Amino acid sequence: KQEVTQIPAALSVPEGENLVLNCSFTDSAIYNLQWFRQDPGKGLTSLLLIQSSQREQTSGRLNASLDKSSGRSTLYIAASQPGDSATYLCAVGGATNKLIFGTGTLLAVQP
Amino acid sequence: DVKVTQSSRYLVKRTGEKVFLECVQDMDHENMFWYRQDPGLGLRLIYFSYDVKMKEKGDIPEGYSVSREKKERFSLILESASTNQTSMYLCASRRHLKKGNDGNYGYTFGSGTRLTVV
Repeated sequence: KQEVTQIPAALSVPEGENLVLNCSFTDSAIYNLQWFRQDPGKGLTSLLLIQSSQREQTSGRLNASLDKSSGRSTLYIAASQPGDSATYLCAVGGATNKLIFGTGTLLAVQP
Repeated sequence: DVKVTQSSRYLVKRTGEKVFLECVQDMDHENMFWYRQDPGLGLRLIYFSYDVKMKEKGDIPEGYSVSREKKERFSLILESASTNQTSMYLCASRRHLKKGNDGNYGYTFGSGTRLTVV
């Protein structure tokens, strides 16, 4: 059974810092991995999608990497801003047509 | 951009009421999903549908049913609402997986419905 874990559970950084969020999964037979952002009380906003054949994806200040063999993904945020404060979720998609979510990292960027 | 619209942002219902949560997507996606999100439990899949009139149970289907009469619309039904169904409900859609494009399609979520059952 696929399990997805995110570390750390919470992170507080000063504005301008570069930071890394981690995601690990137990079954490497995935089709893709998706990173989402969730603001308090809101829905999920998709940030990046990495297909299983890819190693990384970039969008603006965000870079996500995928190492399928070791069951790991990282989300790198460059030059963090207070507006980046949110919960970040990773989720893996596989043949079952279900998306398995991680536990989330609550990020606070202090001005 | 794909848009997934949930009809209500906030809903308050009484115990025992029949509740309908509506979700509409505008990009002709085959697959649609209903999740609920609770503190400490994360997101859990209730039901999903891979085509019109087709449905499959997720991890926590008890107390819920679904309806998919049209491709763009997926409804979640609480037959008799109970207080333990107070939660954030999230709808999502995605194009169906096909060989050769298995990893190409991500999920798009709606903005959520915060349901309170009193």
